[in-house]
Amino acid sequence: KAGVTQTPRYLIKTRGQQVTLSCSPISGHRSVSWYQQTPGQGLQFLFEYFSETQRNKGNFPGRFSGRQFSNSRSEMNVSTLELGDSALYLCASSFGTSETQYFGPGTRLLVL
Amino acid sequence: KNEVEQSPQNLTAQEGEFITINCSYSVGISALHWLQQHPGGGIVSLFMLSSGKKKHGRLIATINIQEKHSSLHITASHPRDSAVYICAVLSNYQLIWGAGTKLIIKP
Repeated sequence: KAGVTQTPRYLIKTRGQQVTLSCSPISGHRSVSWYQQTPGQGLQFLFEYFSETQRNKGNFPGRFSGRQFSNSRSEMNVSTLELGDSALYLCASSFGTSETQYFGPGTRLLVL
Repeated sequence: KNEVEQSPQNLTAQEGEFITINCSYSVGISALHWLQQHPGGGIVSLFMLSSGKKKHGRLIATINIQEKHSSLHITASHPRDSAVYICAVLSNYQLIWGAGTKLIIKP
């Protein structure tokens, strides 16, 4: 069974631009969570979607948004990029909210 | 004070040693995860626990709900076990992460 896939794997943007990252969960999984990982802050929770509804949101500004489609695929959008948004963005899927999460390889975003 | 505390932050040991990584939390949880992150960035979910003990190969994870504490043990450690080990608790549908424990196993 295919694992969690994320696209693109690498991305370079400049300040002020916006970016959309995509995550395809494992087939049958309905929960998708997004995380940001930086060397200084470690792994931080962005938000979780289940059946197209945002279940919970971490402490990130409104520039970070997401959505989930009926096929459970999820997108994350960051508008007005800042240098500090450079990070590895990880997506994880699970059957349900309290189930083991399986992580994708991540999208490495560099903001110049 | 962080809601999930891991100790130690860094751990260096010799191959073959028994390793213990601890995780304490201060919130009510429905589950606790142990994850492993290798230097390349890939994350692997090791265990999800809500009670008792789980074992997989040389890895053992335990949780004490009353004491709000979990431990991850590695028996007969090997250099390939070198990674960051992360504890995360599921509380009110949100995963709250510990800061991770960086483990280095020397041959």
